[in-house]
Amino acid sequence: DAGVTQSPTHLIKTRGQQVTLRCSPISGHKSVSWYQQVLGQGPQFIFQYYEKEERGRGNFPDRFSARQFPNYSSELNVNALLLGDSALYLCASSSGRLMNTEAFFGQGTRLTVV
Amino acid sequence: RKEVEQDPGPFNVPEGATVAFNCTYSNSASQSFFWYRQDCRKEPKLLMSVYSSGNEDGRFTAQLNRASQYISLLIRDSKLSDSATYLCVVMGFANAGGTSYGKLTFGQGTILTVHP
Repeated sequence: DAGVTQSPTHLIKTRGQQVTLRCSPISGHKSVSWYQQVLGQGPQFIFQYYEKEERGRGNFPDRFSARQFPNYSSELNVNALLLGDSALYLCASSSGRLMNTEAFFGQGTRLTVV
Repeated sequence: RKEVEQDPGPFNVPEGATVAFNCTYSNSASQSFFWYRQDCRKEPKLLMSVYSSGNEDGRFTAQLNRASQYISLLIRDSKLSDSATYLCVVMGFANAGGTSYGKLTFGQGTILTVHP
């Protein structure tokens, strides 16, 4: 059974560019959350999507946006990239929106902005 | 004050040692508590949930003190393979547009290195 899959695994972009990261949750899971992990820090919450609707948003600028598709996969978009956006972006899959059961993480997309 | 605070370490211990990690959280309404393990350049993986009654899984024991808003993880008989970053994670309910959702808040992680 496939776990959470993210693509691409690595990405190098230039300041000012735009990037789209993709996530496929575990089959049957309807909740997808996105996290940003800067080196040396714990993951920071960006978004939660449940049943194709945004349910929660962390303290990130409007340059960050996301959506969830009918098959529950999700995309995270970041516009006007800054050097500080360089991080590991993690997608977490959960069966419910309340996240009181285990969240399963994908292997992440490592974004480098130069 | 950070929502979830951990001693970042690093902790360097010999094989067979007992090591304890501590974590405090600021939101008294927090609902669920976890320890995740993250290996270098990998994704976090659930190590164990934490309950008020305390729980044990082999060499690992987790404790929760809701009154003190304090969580701990004890690792006995450390193995080389225990070397990793240990993340304290708190789940609380947040509200947006009238709908509640669960939000995981992570500590910055505690680095453990077990050496021969």
